[in-house]
Amino acid sequence: AQRVTQPEKLLSVFKGAPVELKCNYSYSGSPELFWYVQYSRQRLQLLLRHISRESIKGFTADLNKGETSFHLKKPFAQEEDSAMYYCALTSGSRLTFGEGTQLTVNP
Amino acid sequence: EAGVAQSPRYKIIEKRQSVAFWCNPISGHATLYWYQQILGQGPKLLIQFQNNGVVDDSQLPKDRFSAERLKGVDSTLKIQPAKLEDSAVYLCASSQGILSGNTIYFGEGSWLTVV
Repeated sequence: AQRVTQPEKLLSVFKGAPVELKCNYSYSGSPELFWYVQYSRQRLQLLLRHISRESIKGFTADLNKGETSFHLKKPFAQEEDSAMYYCALTSGSRLTFGEGTQLTVNP
Repeated sequence: EAGVAQSPRYKIIEKRQSVAFWCNPISGHATLYWYQQILGQGPKLLIQFQNNGVVDDSQLPKDRFSAERLKGVDSTLKIQPAKLEDSAVYLCASSQGILSGNTIYFGEGSWLTVV
């Protein structure tokens, strides 16, 4: 069975500080990993996916198959990054979410 | 483009009553999903449709939950009878297809409180 674990429910950093949101997964095949974000009063939306290997809003995430991790990183956090972040995994057609990390960036 | 539309946005019902949620996906999207998100948890897939056929309903509590997408466009999710533990946000989402490369777009959700 596929499983996504986000060990931190809450994460608080100061503006300009680096931020890392952790995500670990368990899946026996070759999964595709995603990060979704939900800003206050907005709908859940895709932030980035590992196959794109892109940087969105300054965020990057690298898939580490050895450690089964897909941590989300940003070198300099901004106040507008405050949101709920969900790591997700898909195998075939089912998308499985972690429980989410609430990021707060303080001024 | 218009996003995924859901209604009602908020619903409060007593336990053992019934409730129905409606979803209109993005035009042209063949795949439609219903997720349940309980407070403090991530979304959990309840059912997935490809056009008007069910692809995955393994996590749908079929004794009380039902969903249909008769014409392959709009969908309705019904709960009957509701239990206290059904209090959650019900998210509808759609994508162009079932392949993992397709982006899934979410609606704003329907908030259900069972008292």
